[in-house]
Amino acid sequence: GEDVEQSLFLSVREGDSSVINCTYTDSSSTYLYWYKQEPGAGLQLLTYIFSNMDMKQDQRLTVLLNKKDKHLSLRIADTQTGDSAIYFCAETGYSSASKIIFGSGTRLSIRP
Amino acid sequence: DAGVTQSPTHLIKTRGQQVTLRCSPISGHKSVSWYQQVLGQGPQFIFQYYEKEERGRGNFPDRFSARQFPNYSSELNVNALLLGDSALYLCASRPQGSGANVLTFGAGSRLTVL
Repeated sequence: GEDVEQSLFLSVREGDSSVINCTYTDSSSTYLYWYKQEPGAGLQLLTYIFSNMDMKQDQRLTVLLNKKDKHLSLRIADTQTGDSAIYFCAETGYSSASKIIFGSGTRLSIRP
Repeated sequence: DAGVTQSPTHLIKTRGQQVTLRCSPISGHKSVSWYQQVLGQGPQFIFQYYEKEERGRGNFPDRFSARQFPNYSSELNVNALLLGDSALYLCASRPQGSGANVLTFGAGSRLTVL
């Protein structure tokens, strides 16, 4: 079945780069997403990548996709205290436009 | 422009009661989806509606139902509430024809079942 897995916690020092990793099982995934959720808030789409791409860069965010290994990563450069949040990896397949499968989320904490 | 709006933001119910949650999509968006997010987990897909028709359903019991109105707003109903229904219920909308398949989420309705 469809599954998305990611590590639960990541702690980085302010100013360093954060790398959040994710693996997925659905080989028919078309889009892969990274969402951010701050305490008590809904989900904010950070970035997404189409499955035929290897990399996407958007300001401090870099997404890398290894389709062969079904591995997705999100790199946040120059991590700031405002980046503290839960980051969800997600994917959607070709057959259903709105059914997004989410991972359990990675809680990113920033050390001074 | 207003984003996806949901009401109520918080509510408390007791076991066995029924609840109705409401969602207004972004203007021009015809597709609405509902997700359940239990504390400590990622959101789980419940329903998708487009043009007032159900287009997808997740692995939820029949106690969960939804509908979409002519103005594209939507309601999620949950009957015979259980303690395990306590969660943040998220509504999302998307424009039809969007190649990027991007959903915009509301802030959610937090349901507590006692």
